[in-house]
Amino acid sequence: GAGVSQTPSNKVTEKGKYVELRCDPISGHTALYWYRQSLGQGPEFLIYFQGTGAADDSGLPNDRFFAVRPEGSVSTLKIQRTERGDSAVYLCASSSPSDRGRTDTQYFGPGTRLTVL
Amino acid sequence: GQQLNQSPQSMFIQEGEDVSMNCTSSSIFNTWLWYKQDPGEGPVLLIALYKAGELTSNGRLTAQFGITRKDSFLNISASIPSDVGIYFCAGQKTGNTPLVFGKGTRLSVIA
Repeated sequence: GAGVSQTPSNKVTEKGKYVELRCDPISGHTALYWYRQSLGQGPEFLIYFQGTGAADDSGLPNDRFFAVRPEGSVSTLKIQRTERGDSAVYLCASSSPSDRGRTDTQYFGPGTRLTVL
Repeated sequence: GQQLNQSPQSMFIQEGEDVSMNCTSSSIFNTWLWYKQDPGEGPVLLIALYKAGELTSNGRLTAQFGITRKDSFLNISASIPSDVGIYFCAGQKTGNTPLVFGKGTRLSVIA
């Protein structure tokens, strides 16, 4: 079946511009996560949605970053007034509640590589 | 943000050799996970560990959840060229909470 998809795969923008990154989770997955991965680092958490609401946005670095998931499926990560330090791979993951009370496997998309010039 | 301490940073091994990597944390996690990431792809789950002391295998991969819940290791036996990639450990406090990742171990296999 279809996995998590992210568009665009690459985005090059200029400092100060606004960008939107899209994530299509696996159908039926209620939880959706955004992570950011800088070169040579592991992914770092940004924000987590359960359904339409942001359950935890403690990882967003500042108020230039915002994410929405209006219908509980597709999510958009929005970055205003981009800075060179925002350059990274932005990963999205989705998961579905397990009836065994265990960790729900997070399935990752291929990521969007953002380059801010 | 917080990242787990993962070592070694990189490894160069001969095909057929065994590999071991580990991960430590200053705080307790209730679940430990090991992911592999290939270039241009997102991380793919290899093994999940749910109980302190648990030892779990997946083919040539074996991982253990440390008894203190602050560490884990991953072993790969009889490495093959397709094992090349970056391996990440990740900890999770409870289900449906964000993962905390290590910085990764880059594995290179020489045929």
